[in-house]
Amino acid sequence: QVQLQESGPGLVKPSQTLSLTCTVSGGSISSGSYYWTWIRQPAGKGLEWIGRIYTSGSVNYNPSLRGRVTISLDTSKNQFSLKLSSATAADTAVYYCARAAESRGSYRTFDHWGQGAQVTVSS
Amino acid sequence: EIQMTQSPSSLSASIGDRVTITCRASQSITTYLNWYQQRPGAAPNLLIYAASDLHNGVPSRFSGSGFGTNFTLTISSLQPEDFATYFCQQNYITPRTFGQGTRVEVK
Repeated sequence: QVQLQESGPGLVKPSQTLSLTCTVSGGSISSGSYYWTWIRQPAGKGLEWIGRIYTSGSVNYNPSLRGRVTISLDTSKNQFSLKLSSATAADTAVYYCARAAESRGSYRTFDHWGQGAQVTVSS
Repeated sequence: EIQMTQSPSSLSASIGDRVTITCRASQSITTYLNWYQQRPGAAPNLLIYAASDLHNGVPSRFSGSGFGTNFTLTISSLQPEDFATYFCQQNYITPRTFGQGTRVEVK
């Protein structure tokens, strides 16, 4: 059974870089047809897709984050990471890592999620 | 970016009630629509994909329908564990986008 676990600082100062890592267990991050994804949720609000990285290393980001996002793979540690530069209070949220898999043909779903990591941006 | 709009934003219901939640996309997404359930303090869980396919292990009281821009999630007989927030999500193009959520509360 695949499991995902987020880790990283829970408090980030404004203008600094928010960094999180997702450790995947129960399967190899470099095999299969999966997109490894970051999603965030401000308190009491909806879900925002941040971006994803394919097993080959190709990435897609949400344009709303204006080039502040970098997602990378570390296959030796079976991890993928998120970096969000120039953090502001608006980036305060619970950050989830998730796996996007093919549920049927080209239909992809977020079928496995981490438990979520609260990150607060404040001085 | 495709905007996803859910209605209502919240509803009150009793055990055994039939509950219907609607999701509308700002452009056609054919059947590239997923539904998730989120309980407080937990990550979302997949319920339905491809608009109407039930994910493994999800009770049959959950069903989905729709095509194009209009979609529905139905719970045929509400159970205690169903009080939660429900999100729709389009899987047609990136960036992936979610509805704002529908909170199902105890009446």
